[in-house]
Amino acid sequence: GENVEQHPSTLSVQEGDSAVIKCTYSDSASNYFPWYKQELGKGPQLIIDIRSNVGEKKDQRIAVTLNKTAKHFSLHITETQPEDSAVYFCAATPRNAGNMLTFGGGTRLMVKP
Amino acid sequence: DVKVTQSSRYLVKRTGEKVFLECVQDMDHENMFWYRQDPGLGLRLIYFSYDVKMKEKGDIPEGYSVSREKKERFSLILESASTNQTSMYLCATRAGESGNIQYFGAGTRLSVL
Repeated sequence: GENVEQHPSTLSVQEGDSAVIKCTYSDSASNYFPWYKQELGKGPQLIIDIRSNVGEKKDQRIAVTLNKTAKHFSLHITETQPEDSAVYFCAATPRNAGNMLTFGGGTRLMVKP
Repeated sequence: DVKVTQSSRYLVKRTGEKVFLECVQDMDHENMFWYRQDPGLGLRLIYFSYDVKMKEKGDIPEGYSVSREKKERFSLILESASTNQTSMYLCATRAGESGNIQYFGAGTRLSVL
């Protein structure tokens, strides 16, 4: 089955700096890669996703890049703000797995004002 | 907005008790999921249901069972709770196999003493 590794497990940045979270996956058949954000006391919520036919996707201050050859994808947050502080999860879904998600271990991002 | 409601935010149970975790959704989604969230391990799938009275095992079903008698409600059952089932439990829904986005409840933090 699919295995997703996520790094780092914790990340602390100053407000205004950029943050990068990286994930690797094992199944070359995976074709959908979402990122979820979990704020304190809430469930995870989708913030951005990318499909295997695209190399990069942006949405305002967040972007995701995908390298299919190396089997890794990354979340980039620019101009971080205190409200970006949360736990972020990457996930991957193999093509023939009924869109089931395999999640990474999570990254706790702390943005210091 | 999709609303996924988990009946309890916090539960404390004794070893050997039978525990019911309830999840209700209001968006008529076919698919429902139960995950377990542990630090460093991300979200691990316990069971999922793609229709009423239908269920499939996820990655870690041992010690758990589920019930889906109505489309909007998905219950996770711990037949005889053990201390290693102390965890955060998250329910999620998805529109259908063709959909990708999962919508999560706020979670139930279960402590088994």
